[in-house]
Amino acid sequence: QVQLVQSGAEVKKPGSSVKVSCKASGDTFSSYSIGWVRLAPGEGLEYMGGIIPMLGTANYAQKFQGRVTITADRSTRTAYMELSSLRPEDTAVYFCGRSSGWIDYWGQGTLVTVSS
Amino acid sequence: EIVLTQSPGTLSLSPGERATLSCRASQSLSSTYLAWYQQKPGQAPRLLIYGASSRATGIPDRFSGSGSGTDFTLTISRLEPEDFAVYYCQQYDSSPETFGQGTKVEIK
Repeated sequence: QVQLVQSGAEVKKPGSSVKVSCKASGDTFSSYSIGWVRLAPGEGLEYMGGIIPMLGTANYAQKFQGRVTITADRSTRTAYMELSSLRPEDTAVYFCGRSSGWIDYWGQGTLVTVSS
Repeated sequence: EIVLTQSPGTLSLSPGERATLSCRASQSLSSTYLAWYQQKPGQAPRLLIYGASSRATGIPDRFSGSGSGTDFTLTISRLEPEDFAVYYCQQYDSSPETFGQGTKVEIK
């Protein structure tokens, strides 16, 4: 059974960073990519980037280049998404997902609130 | 990056009616690397269609996808009460993947 379990909600100050984790079960890490997608209030789904855990190679959406870092720890089957220089408009639910290009399994989502 | 434009922004329909959602890509997808998702408030997105026309596991056959190149369509043949939600297309032909802005299907 495929499961992706994300870390809990975070409240952050503007200018700080947040690191969200995503622990995978099954063969996710050996055979798939992990993608990160966010949903801000009143907005649509936004792809942030992804990683191929077996290779350690990541790609990022242009909008987040320089602010986001996606990594993976194969020993613990956990992927991470770190977003820096947070601003209030980064307030959103952040999802990880098992990706074959399309995303068929999703984490439960992590609410990140950026507020002074 | 490939930009996906969905139309209409909102579709107001009654249960039992047919819904037709459109997704247009800013450049031709070299293969049918397009997926559709359903999202409801407070939930993770749900994969409906991948490869433009292949239904994901457990998805009812009232959902169908079609199209190629730059124009793609998601059709819900007869709307059930649980189908009222926001729908997104996503391309994975070119890295990074991108989503459309969404179409909300609401009860008329």
